[in-house]
Amino acid sequence: AQKITQTQPGMFVQEKEAVTLDCTYDTSDPSYGLFWYKQPSSGEMIFLIYQGSYDQQNATEGRYSLNFQKARKSANLVISASQLGDSAMYFCAMRGYPASKIIFGSGTRLSIRP
Amino acid sequence: ETGVTQTPRHLVMGMTNKKSLKCEQHLGHNAMYWYKQSAKKPLELMFVYSLEERVENNSVPSRFSPECPNSSHLFLHLHTLQPEDSALYLCASSQGAHTGELFFGEGSRLTVL
Repeated sequence: AQKITQTQPGMFVQEKEAVTLDCTYDTSDPSYGLFWYKQPSSGEMIFLIYQGSYDQQNATEGRYSLNFQKARKSANLVISASQLGDSAMYFCAMRGYPASKIIFGSGTRLSIRP
Repeated sequence: ETGVTQTPRHLVMGMTNKKSLKCEQHLGHNAMYWYKQSAKKPLELMFVYSLEERVENNSVPSRFSPECPNSSHLFLHLHTLQPEDSALYLCASSQGAHTGELFFGEGSRLTVL
């Protein structure tokens, strides 16, 4: 069975600091993909970054990077130089292959202090 | 136009009402999804449509009835709902069923009185 665990229900970070959001996963699929989504108070889920299980390098997208440690089954999201607009819920998600549905973690509420 | 559009954004209905949620995607994707997001629970996948055919139904009660007339439109018909059905209903699309990342709409906030 597949499982995504986010152990931080909420986090407070000072503006301009870097922040790491934790995500661990469990799957028996030989290949899988890991996603991070951001959900502001408006409700829309915004895709941030993707990491494939066979990708040699950690994924990066602007201020977002994914710290992928396959042996530890972790896929932490790192946000550098946090901004007030980063305040939102963040969800880690995973899809296994052969084709399987995306499952989501319970989320982490990130609050950026000015 | 945004990629995935949902209407209405907010809906309040009684338990005996019949209403529908609408989703439209402008991304040329072949798969569309309905997710339910309740307070303090992970997102729950409800239905998946691929090329207008339902490919997944996650044991959703029959009071929720999906309809996919074409690859760009998805509806969720609601009837005789319960207060515990109050939630944010999110529509998403992807290139294929269970492939690629999901692109979400802003959601429809449903309150059942």
